[in-house]
Amino acid sequence: KAGVTQTPRYLIKTRGQQVTLSCSPISGHRSVSWYQQTPGQGLQFLFEYFSETQRNKGNFPGRFSGRQFSNSRSEMNVSTLELGDSALYLCASSGDSSTDTQYFGPGTRLTVL
Amino acid sequence: QQQVKQSPQSLIVQKGGISIINCAYENTAFDYFPWYQQFPGKGPALLIAIRPDVSEKKEGRFTISFNKSAKQFSLHIMDSQPGDSATYFCAASRPTDKLIFGTGTRLQVFP
Repeated sequence: KAGVTQTPRYLIKTRGQQVTLSCSPISGHRSVSWYQQTPGQGLQFLFEYFSETQRNKGNFPGRFSGRQFSNSRSEMNVSTLELGDSALYLCASSGDSSTDTQYFGPGTRLTVL
Repeated sequence: QQQVKQSPQSLIVQKGGISIINCAYENTAFDYFPWYQQFPGKGPALLIAIRPDVSEKKEGRFTISFNKSAKQFSLHIMDSQPGDSATYFCAASRPTDKLIFGTGTRLQVFP
């Protein structure tokens, strides 16, 4: 089975812009979770989608949003980018529950200038 | 209540030695405790996980020890190898809830 894929792998944006990141889960997986990883804050949960519905949400501002499509692919969007949004954004997929084994993708490295 | 505290922040071990990483939690509703391993440029990968109905789980050179009364769990890496050099994250979650990650431990194993 192919693993979790994320596109793009690297992205450079400027403050105020918006960005959309994409995640394709492992075939058959219905749960997709997004995390932000930074050296200072570690791995922080953004949100989880299951069957096109947001099932869990972390403590991030409304500038961070996501969605899931009927084929389980997911996108996350960050609007009005700030310098502090520079991070590695990781997507993880699992079968039915976020507590099932989560398989992480390689991440998208976002740099905001 | 939602935090998972991980220590040490970094660890240097000689090849063949034992690496020990500790985590502590407050929320007694947590019922799933995985450990993830992350190499540079890669996403985290599940190493081993435990549920609170057992006190220890072993997979090869990796062992989780779980102390429910102390609300602590630890990862032991026996016979540590240079290839084990990576960042390790503990995590915890309640049923059907999100994973809460520790802050990570950077392990370096020197030959």
